[in-house]
Amino acid sequence: GQQVMQIPQYQHVQEGEDFTTYCNSSTTLSNIQWYKQRPGGHPVFLIQLVKSGEVKKQKRLTFQFGEAKKNSSLHITATQTTDVGTYFCADNSGGSNYKLTFGKGTLLTVNP
Amino acid sequence: NAGVMQNPRHLVRRRGQEARLRCSPMKGHSHVYWYRQLPEEGLKFMVYLQKENIIDESGMPKERFSAEFPKEGPSILRIQQVVRGDSAAYFCASSPVSMRNTEAFFGQGTRLTVV
Repeated sequence: GQQVMQIPQYQHVQEGEDFTTYCNSSTTLSNIQWYKQRPGGHPVFLIQLVKSGEVKKQKRLTFQFGEAKKNSSLHITATQTTDVGTYFCADNSGGSNYKLTFGKGTLLTVNP
Repeated sequence: NAGVMQNPRHLVRRRGQEARLRCSPMKGHSHVYWYRQLPEEGLKFMVYLQKENIIDESGMPKERFSAEFPKEGPSILRIQQVVRGDSAAYFCASSPVSMRNTEAFFGQGTRLTVV
């Protein structure tokens, strides 16, 4: 079935450093969603990317969708301790229009 | 406008007991989805329901698990004769329309521990 690979699994940074997580698929994605989950919390929607090559920004967060729609990335500039959490990409291209397939996530920890 | 409400937040059950997890979607949302999250894993789809209908239960184990979304009241995920491997966080999400081009709003989850 549809698989979404996410790397790295863990990332530890010093506050102020940048952070990037990557999401890859062997098949073309129709759209990709990104979620953030704080430790002990629930997934919170961040953004959805739909168009090939799309780039969206939310303050210090930059989201990209690859030209071939097989990969996506989330980049955080100048991390803060409030950025701590697990970042998941999720795809709903698996033959349905409702079933999200999540990557395993990247756990970001930030040293103050 | 209250978000997706799940209860209980934490549930401890002994092996062989039944677990009942409840989910009230956001107001105006008629589509409900259940996901399971094992430790250090992503969320795995279990079931998709609309009012009184199960649309897709392809992610549900064939035995011991069932879900419903009655006309009145919350959606219920029921796990009978729980085993240790059922220990996980169970998240419910809702959306106003089918999720293709809209975000899913997740509840805070029920952390099930089987002892």
